Amino acid sequence: EAAVTQSPRNKVAVTGGKVTLSCNQTNNHNNMYWYRQDTGHGLRLIHYSYGAGSTEKGDIPDGYKASRPSQENFSLILELATPSQTSVYFCASGPGTANTEVFFGKGTRLTVV
Amino acid sequence: GEKVEQHQSTLSVREGDSAVINCTYTDTASSYFPWYKQEAGKSLHFVIDIRSNVDRKQSQRLTVLLDKKAKRFSLHITATQPEDSAIYFCAASKYQGGRALIFGTGTTVSVSP
Repeated sequence: EAAVTQSPRNKVAVTGGKVTLSCNQTNNHNNMYWYRQDTGHGLRLIHYSYGAGSTEKGDIPDGYKASRPSQENFSLILELATPSQTSVYFCASGPGTANTEVFFGKGTRLTVV
Repeated sequence: GEKVEQHQSTLSVREGDSAVINCTYTDTASSYFPWYKQEAGKSLHFVIDIRSNVDRKQSQRLTVLLDKKAKRFSLHITATQPEDSAIYFCAASKYQGGRALIFGTGTTVSVSP
């Protein structure tokens, strides 16, 4: 079964601090994604990647950076965390072929105080 | 860009009845429409999808209908069971090198005995 592992699972950060959320997949998938989930908004796409070295902006990229140093790893970076970034963040991976299933990690609950 | 609207935020049904969740999308180029399920406190997992070359797909108690003219698709759950209680997300994607899924806001389905 496809495996997507996120760390940490829970994080409390201070306003203005730097936060890095990590994601690792062992599926050899080309594509990886970062979403955030908020009540009333569903899942919103932050950044995604087509492969090592590539990052693309999603629908809500402001305040976030992404890094894809290898096929397996995709990080989401909040350089200056703000309380509005308190959310649950999901990483996902997919093979990148046409119209195929995407696999999600278990999520990271981030609270910025 | 693509927008996906999910019109019911909650849906309550009696066990054994049918449930229908409706979604609309804006981009006529979208060609892939999956549904994901999120049980309480858990991550999302894939349940069923439909591609734009068909207008109906069934898998056990789940049926997806696609009306490309109206840019509308729906998930039908028959003979509902308590384990069907969850948040259901519809999504849409147009394949351009593995373009990311754009999700609706989710429908919380509650199945009561």
